[in-house]
Parts: sequence; C-alpha cells; structure tokens
Amino acid sequence: GAVVSQHPSRVICKSGTSVKIECRSLDFQATTMFWYRQFPKKSLMLMATSNEGSKATYEQGVEKDKFLINHASLTLSTLTVTSAHPEDSSFYICSARDGRVGETQYFGPGTRLLVL
Amino acid sequence: GQNIDQPTEMTATEGAIVQINCTYQTSGFNGLFWYQQHAGEAPTFLSYNVLDGLEEKGRFSSFLSRSKGYSYLLLKELQMKDSASYLCAVMDSNYQLIWGAGTKLIIKP
Repeated sequence: GAVVSQHPSRVICKSGTSVKIECRSLDFQATTMFWYRQFPKKSLMLMATSNEGSKATYEQGVEKDKFLINHASLTLSTLTVTSAHPEDSSFYICSARDGRVGETQYFGPGTRLLVL
Repeated sequence: GQNIDQPTEMTATEGAIVQINCTYQTSGFNGLFWYQQHAGEAPTFLSYNVLDGLEEKGRFSSFLSRSKGYSYLLLKELQMKDSASYLCAVMDSNYQLIWGAGTKLIIKP
C-alpha cells in the first residue's frame, strides 16, 4: 500500500518557538494532503487541506497565520506551528490522498508536539 | 448537517466475532472508509466501500448499504492485537472525509 512518512515523530520545544513538521508521500504523488490534530482520547480534527501549488484551505477556527502550510511539490507538504504555546501541544497527523485507490487517504505516523 | 454515528465502545472476547456499525448522513457520497487506530498511533487504512455489498479482506470484512446509509466492519477470530479504535469515515460530494468519533474495541482473553 501507499506509504506516507512524517518527520519528526516527536518534538519538544519552548514556548514562543516555531516548529516545522514534514509530510512526504514516498511511493505516490499526492496533489492533496491533509493535516489533522488529535487530542488524547478524542477524534481526529481536520485542520487544513493542502493542495500542491496553491494555498491551503483551512477549517473554521484554525488560524492561518498560526499554522502555516506549504505544499511545494507532489510529494511534500509542511506544517509550521508558529510561536508555539503549551495549548498547541497535540498529536499532529498528516495524510495524503492516493488518487489511484479511490481517493483513499493514507496517514503518516504522526508527530507528537509538546510545548513547554 | 453531516453526521457519522458509531458506538463509543464495544467489548468482545478473543477468538470471537464482532460487528461495528456505522450510520451516516452526508451531503453526497463518494465512498466509505474504515481505519484502525491503536492508542498513540496514527490511523491505518482497513477498507474502502463505494458499492453496496460485502468486501472481505482476511479476518476483516466491510459491508455497505448506500440506500440505508449504513456500514459495518466485521472482525473475525479476534486477537488481542485487534484492541484499538475503529474509525468510520465517509467521503462527501466535495471529496472531503467526514469522520466518526471512533469505536473503541476492547478484547478480553
């Protein structure tokens, strides 16, 4: 099946710093990638849809200037959490849509962010 | 509005069979997905149904009835490693995934 990687898997940072998370589709091209966050024992929450070559589409309530998304190529999307605060601590998961398999989304392993 | 319903939690015995139901109401339909998510990990793809009927894949099967807005995931010969959350998601007319809250499946020896 399709493989999606995500880096880093875990990051601890100080409040006020920025953190960049990379999401890569390894064996397929993904014109669309998605960024989710998930709090403990809660369901996935879609943050934004990342389209290659165009601006990301953010869900209601998600700050565009806070969560910067860049989808510069068909295999890479990045999420930058700017000026991170403790409340941004969460599990961030990306997924990439494989158009060859009925628009199935394949998930990266996730990035656990802890802001001190 | 769009809505996906699935039970919050289910318990089953190792070696048994369990059926996890999912009902949905969405604006349009472009397929229904089941994902498995172990605690602390990202979801992994299990199945995709876009036509009515049963799709079998090893110990796991998924069923869809579009007219009833209903799907189920059937897990046979349950193993302890099957303890996880099972997420039902429907792709709407905009090709956006609408997620259920997930069903936590607890397997007991």
